[in-house]
Order: sequence, then structure tokens, then C-alpha cells
Amino acid sequence: NAGVTQTPKFQVLKTGQSMTLQCAQDMNHEYMSWYRQDPGMGLRLIHYSVGAGITDQGEVPNGYNVSRSTTEDFPLRLLSAAPSQTSVYFCASSWGTGGLEQYFGPGTRLTVT
Amino acid sequence: ELKVEQNPLFLSMQEGKNYTIYCNYSTTSDRLYWYRQDPGKSLESLFVLLSNGAVKQEGRLMASLDTKARLSTLHITAAVHDLSATYFCAGRGGSEKLVFGKGTKLTVNP
Repeated sequence: NAGVTQTPKFQVLKTGQSMTLQCAQDMNHEYMSWYRQDPGMGLRLIHYSVGAGITDQGEVPNGYNVSRSTTEDFPLRLLSAAPSQTSVYFCASSWGTGGLEQYFGPGTRLTVT
Repeated sequence: ELKVEQNPLFLSMQEGKNYTIYCNYSTTSDRLYWYRQDPGKSLESLFVLLSNGAVKQEGRLMASLDTKARLSTLHITAAVHDLSATYFCAGRGGSEKLVFGKGTKLTVNP
């Protein structure tokens, strides 16, 4: 049982490049979400999904795309990276409304130059 | 819209002393989470508080929830260096959307 996994751990992009941050969980959790963490800002929700085929926006969705084709995977796409997207990105999952715990992945540190 | 405020944001304390971190939230949240984060690491779940008056303890940390005052506290008893970390509280702002406070960076000095 690997829990929540994220790849890559580190990434450097140039402005305008695109990339996908991968997130997978093997706990059969319904709910998955993406947060970004910036110094002094706590964690802010980017997008979330309550099940395969269902996604919605969080607090800071601009510049990011998501899809959820399977229960296990929830990739986050940056279509045209900007320096403002330099951050640490965390994926989380939980059982959903009935679950208590949110399980966080190890994070991806992204730098956009 | 749920907003969560923590204070203090920075806390430097001596080993052996007690202190409390406060977490205020603006609207109803049916649960309150506390997390710990070490530098460069992910978030580690400490407590989930579900009901008014809930109190949970683990080692030198004790968390409580007062839903009427919309306040949760994380009390540190006889601090030790290993407790140095950043502590976050978070409320649930609908569905499974967590709204985090900005975090309290705790430094415990020998």
C-alpha cells in the first residue's frame, strides 16, 4: 500500500512550457484534490474531484487543468507555466464525505523561470 | 465562505514551557484538522476534531474545539526540541475542501 504518490519530486520549467504533475493513490479513495503551498500562505485548493469523471474548481484554479478518468489517478496540468506558479504542490485523497482523514502525498517542488 | 486564521504565526519558546496556538474560523465547519509539517516534508495528520467540546491528546500536544466560539486550540505542554515544526489548522469548507490557516512556525530552543 503506497498511499498517495506524486511525480516528479522536483521540476524546473521555463515560462510558457507545459507539464503534468502526476498523482496516484491506491486506497480506492473517492475524493482527490490538489493544493499549492506558498511561503506564508498555508495551503490553497486548486482543483478537486469527488469521483471519476467529476472535477471542480477550488480557490486558485486559474492556469491549471485537471481530469479524473480513473479512481486512482488525478493529474494536474499546467498549460503555459508562469513564474507565479512557482510553488510546492500537494495532492491529497480521502474516502469522501464519510471519511475523516485526508492523506497527503510527498509534494512536487516546481520552479518556473 | 470559510476563512481560517491562526495565531501566532511565529512562536519561539524554551524547552519545558507551555504554550497555545489558536485557530479561529469564520463560518460553520463540521470538523477541524490539525497538521504538522517538517521543513521540506509533507503534512502529517495530528488530530481531527468533530464536535463541540472535543479534546484529543497525543504526547505533549492537546487539541480542543469550541464550535460556538469557532475556535480550536493546540496546547503544547513542556515543549521539547522535537516539536519544532510548522503547525496548520484547517476547516472543512464544504464537500472535502479544506481551508487552511497560514500556519504557525514553532521553534523550541534548548
